[in-house]
Amino acid sequence: NAGVTQTPKFQVLKTGQSMTLQCAQDMNHNSMYWYRQDPGMGLRLIYYSASEGTTDKGEVPNGYNVSRLNKREFSLRLESAAPSQTSVYFCAIYSGNWNQPQHFGDGTRLSIL
Amino acid sequence: AQKITQTQPGMFVQEKEAVTLDCTYDTSDPSYGLFWYKQPSSGEMIFLIYQGSYDQQNATEGRYSLNFQKARKSANLVISASQLGDSAMYFCAMGGTSYGKLTFGQGTILTVHP
Repeated sequence: NAGVTQTPKFQVLKTGQSMTLQCAQDMNHNSMYWYRQDPGMGLRLIYYSASEGTTDKGEVPNGYNVSRLNKREFSLRLESAAPSQTSVYFCAIYSGNWNQPQHFGDGTRLSIL
Repeated sequence: AQKITQTQPGMFVQEKEAVTLDCTYDTSDPSYGLFWYKQPSSGEMIFLIYQGSYDQQNATEGRYSLNFQKARKSANLVISASQLGDSAMYFCAMGGTSYGKLTFGQGTILTVHP
């Protein structure tokens, strides 16, 4: 998706390994989000950053940490991966105006063995 | 807390017919937005339509319209003249006043038959 770039697109980890998912935007939006999508379920918010320099927990933050490196970049870190964290991870951005809905990256498919 | 409920795990429709995907919501925010996203098998999230809680008219975007009934707390998506390319997962989502955070429903898988 134009505007939001997630890397990597796919990753396989072993239990206990660490990993950082990267998200970068080129739309100059203030707010950035990390969601996870489990099979057959909707997206659930992990962490968000309302503006540069701030981060807050969402619905399912346990096992994750985030860093808002600058206005463009928002990373998600798994310190010690667990099989329950196998999911598709989406980064999203938001301008603050409901008439401009959240834009999503293409997702990162993460499998933890 | 916000909650979105999509009660139809799967829906089937004939090509060229209209289909309604149900969505009900619950929130204590006086101002909120309701969104529908499409997720094809390729996995990306595609924004379809938005309705603000204070909008007087139902939103429309091409073949998509949102049947917003505030008193019933429902925001159903209507797709007119279904096409084979409409086969996908559809998510209803709500955002409140808190920093644009979205709450999603569990989704409805729509299958369009030729």
